[in-house]
Amino acid sequence: EVQLVESGGGLVQPGGSLRLSCAASGFTFSSYWMSWVRQAPGKGLEWVANIKQDGSEKYYVDSVKGRFTISRDNAKNSLYLQMNSLRAEDTAVYYCARDTPLYSGYAGYWGQGTLVTVSS
Amino acid sequence: NFMLTQPHSVSESPGKTVTISCTRSSGSIASNYVQWYQQRPGSAPTTVIYEDNQRPSGVPDRFSGSIDSSSNSASLTISGLKTEDEADYYCQSYDSSNQLGVFGGGTKLTVL
Repeated sequence: EVQLVESGGGLVQPGGSLRLSCAASGFTFSSYWMSWVRQAPGKGLEWVANIKQDGSEKYYVDSVKGRFTISRDNAKNSLYLQMNSLRAEDTAVYYCARDTPLYSGYAGYWGQGTLVTVSS
Repeated sequence: NFMLTQPHSVSESPGKTVTISCTRSSGSIASNYVQWYQQRPGSAPTTVIYEDNQRPSGVPDRFSGSIDSSSNSASLTISGLKTEDEADYYCQSYDSSNQLGVFGGGTKLTVL
């Protein structure tokens, strides 16, 4: 059974940093593109970033470029999102999602999400 | 870049059929696969349709997807509506210009 478990969310002040983690199990993690998707309270879904199997390709939505970094550790079956210079508008539930082996752009499995609140 | 536009809300009675549209603002709807996700309150999204018209295992055949190049849109059709289908539904495709997925704004389905 595919499982994705996010952790690391919490309350942080504007300008602060947070590192989200996603522990994957039930599939060959190193074979899949992986993504982070967020959802602000009461709002829709937004694709934040994705990363290729070997980490050689990474893409970000414009609003987080230069502030967020996606990474993965295939030996630990883990996905990460380092978030720096956080802003109030980054407040959201952050979901880890598994893409496909061939391409990103289909989030077939999702974690339960972790809430990030940016507030003073 | 392009946008996907969905109706904000739809409602229908149990047992009936409802169709939710998703219109692509620029570029061909057929250029990239369209997925549909269901999200119940307080839960993570789950896939009901992938690659335009494919159903993941476990999704009932009451759910179907299609694309229409003439209207540049995708559609999710749910037949034999049940109260448990009440949820938010999001269409999603892929933007080759920035290599990221793009979501529609979501449609709230009410079954009453």
